[in-house]
Amino acid sequence: NAGVTQTPKFRILKIGQSMTLQCTQDMNHNYMYWYRQDPGMGLKLIYYSVGAGITDKGEVPNGYNVSRSTTEDFPLRLELAAPSQTSVYFCASSLVGLAKNIQYFGAGTRLSVL
Amino acid sequence: TQLLEQSPQFLSIQEGENLTVYCNSSSVFSSLQWYRQEPGEGPVLLVTVVTGGEVKKLKRLTFQFGDARKDSSLHITAAQPGDTGLYLCAGMRGLSGGYQKVTFGTGTKLQVIP
Repeated sequence: NAGVTQTPKFRILKIGQSMTLQCTQDMNHNYMYWYRQDPGMGLKLIYYSVGAGITDKGEVPNGYNVSRSTTEDFPLRLELAAPSQTSVYFCASSLVGLAKNIQYFGAGTRLSVL
Repeated sequence: TQLLEQSPQFLSIQEGENLTVYCNSSSVFSSLQWYRQEPGEGPVLLVTVVTGGEVKKLKRLTFQFGDARKDSSLHITAAQPGDTGLYLCAGMRGLSGGYQKVTFGTGTKLQVIP
């Protein structure tokens, strides 16, 4: 079972470069999320999506963009990379509902902006 | 912004010792989850507590949700090296449309020394 798959696992960017972090899930979950985790910290929500074609901002959306053209895919775009975006990025997906809101996480993408 | 403060931030103990991790907030949550995250991996859900005062046990781990649903604790009995990891609490609050907003705690890094 693949679950949530993120690519790439590691990436180094120069300031001002752009890149797309890929996320795909094969569990037919409606809800998908992007988080960032800074060293030794919890997760902060960047963007989320409640279904194909619907996205919304989380706590820290500045500098990022997302799209959700299919149920399976939820890519995260960095247009002008900045050192403050150095972090580990996690994608997650979940079903709807109080008791069923179990988030399944990918293994993460470690990004360094130099 | 809802904050979930975890304490302690770091904990290093000997194998066989007991420990308790706390997760506190001034906000009420509809439910609360605990995750464990190992280096290089995404968080994995351990438990969800829903009712104020609820206690759940998972082998040597005991989870409690505060009566007012603002706080939670995780108690580990006879810690083992395999318990080493980052423990995250996450509070959920229901919004209109059925979406559950999730706020992650600051994390507790546990090291169990053999």
